[in-house]
Amino acid sequence: KAGVTQTPRYLIKTRGQQVTLSCSPISGHRSVSWYQQTPGQGLQFLFEYFSETQRNKGNFPGRFSGRQFSNSRSEMNVSTLELGDSALYLCASSSTLYEQYFGPGTRLTVT
Amino acid sequence: KNEVEQSPQNLTAQEGEFITINCSYSVGISALHWLQQHPGGGIVSLFMLSSGKKKHGRLIATINIQEKHSSLHITASHPRDSAVYICAVRDDDMRFGAGTRLTVKP
Repeated sequence: KAGVTQTPRYLIKTRGQQVTLSCSPISGHRSVSWYQQTPGQGLQFLFEYFSETQRNKGNFPGRFSGRQFSNSRSEMNVSTLELGDSALYLCASSSTLYEQYFGPGTRLTVT
Repeated sequence: KNEVEQSPQNLTAQEGEFITINCSYSVGISALHWLQQHPGGGIVSLFMLSSGKKKHGRLIATINIQEKHSSLHITASHPRDSAVYICAVRDDDMRFGAGTRLTVKP
């Protein structure tokens, strides 16, 4: 089985722009979670989707949003980018609510 | 106070040594994960625990639900074990420890 894929792997954006990141889960997995990792804050939970429904959302501003499609692929969007949004964005998929298979991440740099 | 505390923050060991990384948490959980992150960012889930003990090769993970404490042990450590080890607890969402940076010297 192919693993979790994330696109793009690297991205450079300017403050004020918006960005969309994509995550394709392992085939058959219906749950996708998103995380942000920064040197200062470590790993933080963004949101979790299961069968196209957002189950949980972390403590992030409304500029961070996401969705999941019927094929379980998920996207997250960050609008009005700030310098502090520079981070590694990781998604993880699972077939149950507990196991987590991580993708390689998208490294976003905001200049 | 962080909800998930890991110790130590940094750990340097000689090849072959027995290593223990500790994780304490203050919230109710449904499961606890031990994750491994190598330079470059990729994260691998090593264990998911809700009770007791699990073993995979040279790695052993234990959890004490009453004491809200988990340990990750590495027996006969090897330089390829050098990585950041992260404890994460699951309730409604996932909450992460700050990680333990392990360096194993040959």
